[in-house]
Amino acid sequence: DARVTQTPRHKVTEMGQEVTMRCQPILGHNTVFWYRQTMMQGLELLAYFRNRAPLDDSGMPKDRFSAEMPDATLATLKIQPSEPRDSAVYFCASGLSTSGNTDEQFFGPGTRLTVL
Amino acid sequence: DAKTTQPTSMDCAEGRAANLPCNHSTISGNEYVYWYRQIHSQGPQYIIHGLKNNETNEMASLIITEDRKSSTLILPHATLRDTAVYYCTLPSNTGKLIFGQGTTLQVKP
Repeated sequence: DARVTQTPRHKVTEMGQEVTMRCQPILGHNTVFWYRQTMMQGLELLAYFRNRAPLDDSGMPKDRFSAEMPDATLATLKIQPSEPRDSAVYFCASGLSTSGNTDEQFFGPGTRLTVL
Repeated sequence: DAKTTQPTSMDCAEGRAANLPCNHSTISGNEYVYWYRQIHSQGPQYIIHGLKNNETNEMASLIITEDRKSSTLILPHATLRDTAVYYCTLPSNTGKLIFGQGTTLQVKP
């Protein structure tokens, strides 16, 4: 049963610390998305990649957030330095894009981040 | 990106059909309508999508009006496990999804 995996599932850290979240997309998928969910803002798209190239990261605060795909099996989202307002659940999703259209996205279980 | 509007919440009796509406009056001709749901503390889950024809799968049916300005997701026999937030969304041609607040469906015994 192919699934998107995310690590860690939970992270508690102190303000100013670096946080790295990892995602393993479903094998064969070529599109990866990072979302953030809070009670106030709901689900927000932060960034997404196709064939490991960033397509859109306009939803991501550039000064502290960075997203990369070192290889096709790993996507990372890094926050440095972290702030209490970054506390949220971060979801990764993957999908298969053909001819420019992406079929359904498969979401991981999320990383619940708490910044004290 | 085209926008969607959905009711904030709905109730449904267990075993009855749940009909969840979505308005997307600014939809363009080649935009698909996608539905996802999010059960508490889990990641969103794909349900169904369609362009202009009605669609059915093992989870639900999707009815799209002829002018494509609205659609309805139908869960034919709702169970308690269908309690979730349901999102109607229109992906861009690059696959970008914009999630609104969705409809919180409460299935009651």
